Amino acid sequence: AQSVTQLDSHVSVSEGTPVLLRCNYSSSYSPSLFWYVQHPNKGLQLLLKYTSAATLVKGINGFEAEFKKSETSFHLTKPSAHMSDAAEYFCVVIGGTSYGKLTFGQGTILTVHP
Amino acid sequence: GAVVSQHPSRVICKSGTSVKIECRSLDFQATTMFWYRQFPKQSLMLMATSNEGSKATYEQGVEKDKFLINHASLTLSTLTVTSAHPEDSSFYICSAPPVGGYTFGSGTRLTVV
Repeated sequence: AQSVTQLDSHVSVSEGTPVLLRCNYSSSYSPSLFWYVQHPNKGLQLLLKYTSAATLVKGINGFEAEFKKSETSFHLTKPSAHMSDAAEYFCVVIGGTSYGKLTFGQGTILTVHP
Repeated sequence: GAVVSQHPSRVICKSGTSVKIECRSLDFQATTMFWYRQFPKQSLMLMATSNEGSKATYEQGVEKDKFLINHASLTLSTLTVTSAHPEDSSFYICSAPPVGGYTFGSGTRLTVV
C-alpha cells in the first residue's frame, strides 16, 4: 500500500521569497515520487520526478525537491517565488513497478502576493 | 516529449445524455491509460485503467456500466459517461505511462445540467 500526505492545504508567500511545499509519503516498495502543478482549469504539468537516482532533484521553473528516506519526505522548494507560480501543486507516489497506480496527495494551493 | 491529447476540454450536457471523452497518445504507443476524476477542491482519484486489447479495470466504487472505457487502439482510449447526472459533473483527466514518466492529458471539464 502507498499513500502521500501534503502537510499544507494552502501556502501563501510574497513574490521573491522562498517557497516550501511539504510532502510525506508511505510506500511498501522503493517509491517513485513526482511533483505536478495544475493551473486553474488546466491539465497537470510535471515539475520533477525522483526515481532512485540522485536524492536532490531539479525540475522546471527553478523548482527542486529532496528525497529523504529517513524522514519519508519529498518537499518541494524554490528559492524565489514568482507570480506565475501561483497554482495548485500535487505530490504523487508510485510504489512497485513504474507502471503502477499513481496516488495523489490532497494538493497544496500556492498563493503569491506582490 | 510524449504528449497525450484529450478532447473535449469542456462540455456541457443535459441530464440523461451521454458524453464521450477521448485521449490520444500522439507520439508514442500507450498500451495502458489511467482515467482520473477530480471533484472541486479535491485531489485526483483513479477511476479505472484501460488496457489495449482487454477489459478495463475499475476502482472500487466506480460503476463500470456508467463509465464505459474502451481502449480501441495503441493510441486511443475513450471514456463515455452514460446517462449523465449533475453529480457526474467533474474534471476528468487521462494519463499514460510512457517510458520515463507519466504524461497527462489537459483534462475535460464536464458540467451536467
